[in-house]
Amino acid sequence: GQNIDQPTEMTATEGAIVQINCTYQTSGFNGLFWYQQHAGEAPTFLSYNVLDGLEEKGRFSSFLSRSKGYSYLLLKELQMKDSASYLCAVEGGATNKLIFGTGTLLAVQP
Amino acid sequence: DSGVTQTPKHLITATGQRVTLRCSPRSGDLSVYWYQQSLDQGLQFLIQYYNGEERAKGNILERFSAQQFPDLHSELNLSSLELGDSALYFCASSVPSKDADTEAFFGQGTRLTVV
Repeated sequence: GQNIDQPTEMTATEGAIVQINCTYQTSGFNGLFWYQQHAGEAPTFLSYNVLDGLEEKGRFSSFLSRSKGYSYLLLKELQMKDSASYLCAVEGGATNKLIFGTGTLLAVQP
Repeated sequence: DSGVTQTPKHLITATGQRVTLRCSPRSGDLSVYWYQQSLDQGLQFLIQYYNGEERAKGNILERFSAQQFPDLHSELNLSSLELGDSALYFCASSVPSKDADTEAFFGQGTRLTVV
């Protein structure tokens, strides 16, 4: 089966750092994605991890531990525009099926 | 612009009706995914096609069906519509690979309202 867990909501302050966690149990693993989605809009790609470790892209970093079935997305120097849902997605199995978690709604406050 | 085109953008229809949602993937992408997103819900995987063939199925209702055509565009057919089918329907395309950065690109979605 497929199970991807993320916190439902988080709140953080402008300029701060926030970490959004994702745990997964899937049949097969080819890689893990993080997407950002503003309300009513299409998800947009943030990061991709296939090997253990930290991938850094500007203010956003993503970490993966395959043995623990765990990932996190780290957002630094938060801006108001970072208020959005952050979706963890696992690509798995021979078909490369892409399954999403329910997303974490992040509210950035002044 | 992701390069994935979905039509129509909005659709309002009555219960019991049938609708067809269309998706044109990015040029060169062989894989097409369909997702349903209800209000305040996550993306629910419906079905995946690869180069014209069904590749994987998620929680897709029997009233729903899809296909991918030789030109790689895809259609999602929803029939006997119910109020609960009201949602955003997203299509995404990708080139399936184990290499890095082969992310799925999403269309802007079709907002379906069943009244």
